[in-house]
Amino acid sequence: EDQVTQSPEALRLQEGESSSLNCSYTVSGLRGLFWYRQDPGKGPEFLFTLYSAGEEKEKERLKATLTKKESFLHITAPKPEDSATYLCAVADNYGQNFVFGPGTRLSVLP
Amino acid sequence: EPEVTQTPSHQVTQMGQEVILRCVPISNHLYFYWYRQILGQKVEFLVSFYNNEISEKSEIFDDQFSVERPDGSNFTLKIRSTKLEDSAMYFCASRGTSGIEFFGPGTRLTVL
Repeated sequence: EDQVTQSPEALRLQEGESSSLNCSYTVSGLRGLFWYRQDPGKGPEFLFTLYSAGEEKEKERLKATLTKKESFLHITAPKPEDSATYLCAVADNYGQNFVFGPGTRLSVLP
Repeated sequence: EPEVTQTPSHQVTQMGQEVILRCVPISNHLYFYWYRQILGQKVEFLVSFYNNEISEKSEIFDDQFSVERPDGSNFTLKIRSTKLEDSAMYFCASRGTSGIEFFGPGTRLTVL
């Protein structure tokens, strides 16, 4: 059974204070690892897909990396508008659905 | 930019009543999904739908739930007899050839 855990559960940063969020996973044949951002009361918003160990993707202040067991979402010089819950999900080669982690709730203080 | 839409945004119903949640997936997508998120908990898979039939479903998706694609654009989730524990955000998602699932804004279902 595919499993996804995320840490920390919550993270408070000062504006400009860089940090990383962790997503650890176990999956039988990784089809892809996906990062989403979720604002309160809204649907998950797609950020990145990673398919193989060593892959990296960047978008503005965010950078996602992937190893065989975990993924990191690095946030460089965050701004208050980066405050959200960041969700990690995996898809395996055998099913079609995603398995989501519990998320990391990020707060960036001005 | 194409997006998944869902209606209504909020549905309040009495326990035991039937509800239908509606979704319009992105037009050229072929895979459709329903997920739910109970307040404060993780997003959970309910069902996937491809080629006019259910391709996968979770343990949550019991006989009280059904899905349908009644025409070329809508995708619906029906809950036959709602329970208090069905209160949650319900998200529709669709996927094309990219492998990425795009989510709608959700329907907040409140069962009283």
